[in-house]
Amino acid sequence: GQSLEQPSEVTAVEGAIVQINCTYQTSGFYGLSWYQQHDGGAPTFLSYNALDGLEETGRFSSFLSRSDSYGYLLLQELQMKDSASYFCAVRDQRNYGQNFVFGPGTRLSVLP
Amino acid sequence: GAVVSQHPSRVICKSGTSVKIECRSLDFQATTMFWYRQFPKQSLMLMATSNEGSKATYEQGVEKDKFLINHASLTLSTLTVTSAHPEDSSFYICSARKTGTGATTDTQYFGPGTRLTVL
Repeated sequence: GQSLEQPSEVTAVEGAIVQINCTYQTSGFYGLSWYQQHDGGAPTFLSYNALDGLEETGRFSSFLSRSDSYGYLLLQELQMKDSASYFCAVRDQRNYGQNFVFGPGTRLSVLP
Repeated sequence: GAVVSQHPSRVICKSGTSVKIECRSLDFQATTMFWYRQFPKQSLMLMATSNEGSKATYEQGVEKDKFLINHASLTLSTLTVTSAHPEDSSFYICSARKTGTGATTDTQYFGPGTRLTVL
């Protein structure tokens, strides 16, 4: 089966940089994804890493190390609107690798 | 872009009634749609995978006779919660995967969710 671990909560101030880690155990690996979810809303896709290394998209970057079964999401120049829950997810090998398993989520609070 | 809609966004019903939730991909075709349930302050739990033209695949512990899924077209999947009870109250979210997408990319698009409250 699959299991993922993330810190439950992270707090930071506006303008700071925060890193949210994710470790995973999986019997098959198709990539690590990150999603953002504001309270009451649906998850929105942030990034996807299939290969080792850093992917940068604006203020957000995501890193993957397949040998360590580890990844992180890096948020720079934090803004109040970044307060949300962040989920890492891996794709399950069932259903041709289409199914996702989500981590428990990390609740980020950005303080003024 | 890729837009997924859900209807209704919010529903309140009495215990014992059935509720149907629709999930539509508005500007793309989706061979596969997924249904998730999310309880407050918890993660998304996959309930079932809905493949167009075939039976849904349910996750372990999800009652297929209680959560009926139909994926009759490439743009529409429905989830019917039958004989709903208060413990079924939750946030139900669908997602759709764009047809033809390679296995190495992540193109799962989420609907806005449906908040179900069973009294």
